Amino acid sequence: RKEVEQDPGPFNVPEGATVAFNCTYSNSASQSFFWYRQDCRKEPKLLMSVYSSGNEDGRFTAQLNRASQYISLLIRDSKLSDSATYLCVVIYGQNFVFGPGTRLSVLP
Amino acid sequence: EPEVTQTPSHQVTQMGQEVILRCVPISNHLYFYWYRQILGQKVEFLVSFYNNEISEKSEIFDDQFSVERPDGSNFTLKIRSTKLEDSAMYFCASSDWTVEQYFGPGTRLTVT
Repeated sequence: RKEVEQDPGPFNVPEGATVAFNCTYSNSASQSFFWYRQDCRKEPKLLMSVYSSGNEDGRFTAQLNRASQYISLLIRDSKLSDSATYLCVVIYGQNFVFGPGTRLSVLP
Repeated sequence: EPEVTQTPSHQVTQMGQEVILRCVPISNHLYFYWYRQILGQKVEFLVSFYNNEISEKSEIFDDQFSVERPDGSNFTLKIRSTKLEDSAMYFCASSDWTVEQYFGPGTRLTVT
């Protein structure tokens, strides 16, 4: 079983839509969780950390369910500039594991 | 805003040659990392470095790879004898104690 799995995508949504991405991880000892975004041929950029209590940053909401080993990212009122690949990152110890990413295209 | 920098942006080398990829992490960060991303594939962890030593490495990071922090600012990845399959984008990242990692723009390595 792959360590980190994500919705395969791509997601094509109109501007203003709400879109949710899911990520599951296999190692229950995982300690830290993050969402990154990556534009084509660019470096990953930190979007937000994911806390057990859930956290929100503007239009973005991240949630963690440790019991189900599941992380989610919700984007509200999507913008054209949100088009990117969204990467789930799971860390246990010093082991950093990226998911394969889910590509989002926001259409005008 | 402080950022991670990497040089060169693109390196072309012949199979069997040694390459050194260079990174300047964010100045007050303590943890340093190298990742690679083969075109069209996911980002893969190579190695983490803290307190002047490797703290974790992946199966990819074999004897052909080494890392060094030769001075107070640079962090390098050396590949001793490059193979065709080493062609990829190599990203350096750094973090403080929060382990929120900030990535450099990458070096595209092409092995011919």
